[in-house]
Amino acid sequence: SQQGEEDPQALSIQEGENATMNCSYKTSINNLQWYRQNSGRGLVHLILIRSNEREKHSGRLRVTLDTSKKSSSLLITASRAADTASYFCATSGNQFYFGTGTSLTVIP
Amino acid sequence: EAGVAQSPRYKIIEKRQSVAFWCNPISGHATLYWYQQILGQGPKLLIQFQNNGVVDDSQLPKDRFSAERLKGVDSTLKIQPAKLEDSAVYLCASSLRRELETQYFGPGTRLLVL
Repeated sequence: SQQGEEDPQALSIQEGENATMNCSYKTSINNLQWYRQNSGRGLVHLILIRSNEREKHSGRLRVTLDTSKKSSSLLITASRAADTASYFCATSGNQFYFGTGTSLTVIP
Repeated sequence: EAGVAQSPRYKIIEKRQSVAFWCNPISGHATLYWYQQILGQGPKLLIQFQNNGVVDDSQLPKDRFSAERLKGVDSTLKIQPAKLEDSAVYLCASSLRRELETQYFGPGTRLLVL
């Protein structure tokens, strides 16, 4: 089975609201990354957080990592319609695993 | 800087036929990955190359899938013979080094097996 599990599977919000998605994983990791995938396209890297970091920011993105709970969250603030996409966490340890993804819809 | 190139973009074949996908990574990237993404799921790593050597192929169905990366640059992924359940998007990605690195993805090849 895959390493990461995202929650929720699907999320629908109004433009301007914040979106939070969570990722849980099973084994120890070196780092955790978040990727975005627009429909029918390849994945785009958003942010990487190392196992010794707890929080990281990049523009409207905020990622947290709790290695004791084996979980991470991605917060997108002030969402835009263009943020509509699927979001995946990916863990790097002995192997590289992607999670199941959260489908985010931002309604204009 | 050119991105990761993949071809073809779409392929339709009948079961038991063979198919091959090609990937050209970003220049200078030592690590190359092939993923299978079934509709509604996250990408599953099939094989990872470091230069022209295989680092991880634990999830590659070796009875029907094969991959090579000659000269440590371009790579091909082959399926022979294809099954209905191989219908998926096949993604190629590359990164500068192996660990702690951002992966850059190509647009993928969408395969439909009839």
